[in-house]
Amino acid sequence: GNSVTQMEGPVTLSEEAFLTINCTYTATGYPSLFWYVQYPGEGLQLLLKATKADDKGSNKGFEATYRKETTSFHLEKGSVQVSDSAVYFCALTITGFQKLVFGTGTRLLVSP
Amino acid sequence: EAGVAQSPRYKIIEKRQSVAFWCNPISGHATLYWYQQILGQGPKLLIQFQNNGVVDDSQLPKDRFSAERLKGVDSTLKIQPAKLEDSAVYLCASRPGGSWSDTIYFGEGSWLTVV
Repeated sequence: GNSVTQMEGPVTLSEEAFLTINCTYTATGYPSLFWYVQYPGEGLQLLLKATKADDKGSNKGFEATYRKETTSFHLEKGSVQVSDSAVYFCALTITGFQKLVFGTGTRLLVSP
Repeated sequence: EAGVAQSPRYKIIEKRQSVAFWCNPISGHATLYWYQQILGQGPKLLIQFQNNGVVDDSQLPKDRFSAERLKGVDSTLKIQPAKLEDSAVYLCASRPGGSWSDTIYFGEGSWLTVV
């Protein structure tokens, strides 16, 4: 089946530290990959996406590269801020299907 | 462009009572979704509509949950009777429907607590 596995949180970092949140996937077809972010008390917002192998999605200093050989889509940011504290969800959709399959989410806590 | 609108934002009910959530998708979006997000978990699809037809309701507990999308625009999700384990955030989302890789946009969610 189709599934997404994320590293467990919380991930606790100091401001300006480097961030990596691991995400791997299993898919029966050709997936598009997404990172969504959920700030406290808010809904999900699309952070970035990649629709084919070797694509790099980027937004707000965050990046993720679609690695077909390792079935991964790790989220990275060079220097995190307190305002980045949120829950990050990795997700996929499959060609021909229009629904998102989510991972369990990783909570990021950034301290000043 | 207005986003996906949901109401009510918060609801507390007793078990065995009923509740209904409303969603207005982004104008022109053909596909509408309802997801359930239990605390500490990722969202799980309950039902997907394409215009006013159901595409996928395989994970909808049909003995207590129902949803409709009359006229292919607004949608209502109902729970009757509610159980304690239905406490969750109910997220409505929409997408244009033109391409399978189109972005899905989410509302802020309706937070349900069943006591």
